[in-house]
Amino acid sequence: GAVVSQHPSWVICKSGTSVKIECRSLDFQATTMFWYRQFPKQSLMLMATSNEGSKATYEQGVEKDKFLINHASLTLSTLTVTSAHPEDSSFYICSASTLGQGITDTQYFGPGTRLTVL
Amino acid sequence: AQSVTQLDSQVPVFEEAPVELRCNYSSSVSVYLFWYVQYPNQGLQLLLKYLSGSTLVESINGFEAEFNKSQTSFHLRKPSVHISDTAEYFCAVSEHNQGGKLIFGQGTELSVKP
Repeated sequence: GAVVSQHPSWVICKSGTSVKIECRSLDFQATTMFWYRQFPKQSLMLMATSNEGSKATYEQGVEKDKFLINHASLTLSTLTVTSAHPEDSSFYICSASTLGQGITDTQYFGPGTRLTVL
Repeated sequence: AQSVTQLDSQVPVFEEAPVELRCNYSSSVSVYLFWYVQYPNQGLQLLLKYLSGSTLVESINGFEAEFNKSQTSFHLRKPSVHISDTAEYFCAVSEHNQGGKLIFGQGTELSVKP
C-alpha cells in the first residue's frame, strides 16, 4: 500500500517552454502533497505544500509564479515549471501524506522526475 | 525542527560489518523522526519511523534506530550490512502540528564493499 507515482520519470525541454509533472497517490487519498527539489549529491529541499482544494503554500525563496502547483483531487497534484531555464534542471520529487487518516505524519514519496532544460 | 544534521556524508564499510549512521536534530517542540533510503535515480523509501512509544524502532531489513530525547539523536544502525544496502540515507524530522512538513538532513552515502 501507499504507492505514489510520478509522470513523466524524465523530461528534456527547450529553454522557455513549460513542463508539467504529475504526482498521483495510487491506493490512498492524500490530503496533503509536498513538492521537493533535489540537486545532485544534495538533500531534498521542500518547495511547497499542496492541500487539496486550496492554494499551495510555498517555501521562502520559491517563486510561486514560476512553479505552479495544482491539487485538483485527493489523488492528484501537478507541478508546472513555467518558462523553464537551464538552472531549473533538477530532480523533482513529490510526496503524499495521509494526515488524519490513521498514519500520522508519514509521507510516501514518488520515484521522482528528472528535468533537463536545454 | 530548526535543523537536522547527519554527521557523516560518506560511510564506507565492508560487507557483514556493523554500521551506524548518525543523525542529530534541534527543535524546541516534540517531533516525529524518520529514516529514508534512496537508491540511485529513485525516489525516497521510508525505512523506519518513530512517532511515539518505544524509542527503539526496527525495519524489516534489519536496520534499527533509537530515539534519544536527551541527546536529540536518532542514529541508524545495522549489525551486519549487505552489498544491497549501498544507497543514500536521509534522516528527517517533522515537528508536531506543522502539517507534516519534513526537514531533511544532508544525507549519508553508505557504500558497502565486498
